[in-house]
Amino acid sequence: DTVLTQSPALAVSPGERVTISCRASESVSTLMHWYQQKPGQQPKLLIYLASNLESGVPARFSGSGSGTDFTLTIDPVEADDTATYYCQQSWNDPFTFGSGTKLEIK
Amino acid sequence: EVQLVESGGGLVQPGRSMKLSCAASGFTFNNYDMAWVCQAPKKGLEWVATISYDGSSTYYRDSVKGRFTISRDNAKSTLYLQMDSLRSEDTATYYCARHFNYGSYGDWGQGVMVTVSS
Repeated sequence: DTVLTQSPALAVSPGERVTISCRASESVSTLMHWYQQKPGQQPKLLIYLASNLESGVPARFSGSGSGTDFTLTIDPVEADDTATYYCQQSWNDPFTFGSGTKLEIK
Repeated sequence: EVQLVESGGGLVQPGRSMKLSCAASGFTFNNYDMAWVCQAPKKGLEWVATISYDGSSTYYRDSVKGRFTISRDNAKSTLYLQMDSLRSEDTATYYCARHFNYGSYGDWGQGVMVTVSS
């Protein structure tokens, strides 16, 4: 299975720029997607196909990358962005998720 | 507005069965592949199973093959997950999700908790 590695946690102040990384154990082309999960809620799609912003998602969120290295950027960060962020690949079967990056807003 | 509403969870003993349902509305259900994704307590997300838009194809993660069955009733806009021979490691919140572009999950239900314990 394709393993997606994410750093476990980050802490930033409101107004700052944050990048969340996701590294795949093998190439996933650009079939990488990002989700936000707030405590007690279901996940929400933010970015699909590495860099496409899902409808209704603020333009503060952006994604980039291809192959094995991907990033989700939030600029500027707001207090409401406190959540865990997951990457997910759909190039290799089975589809897999990263372990999540917990973002704390100081 | 897209809505996915799961039901059928609860406490079940190891080795027993449980069936989850997901009622869909707000979109043309029979146009979309659907999936179940689970999340063990305090853990990450894990794909469980996918069914094609017409029910003709199904896919499962290895750990549930032969024990879980995904199905759908397009006339009722409802997705199902039949879970047999349940194990303690199946304890999780199960989400119903609609497949979106190129294998992403565009919409999610609120989730239903399944606890496997004696």
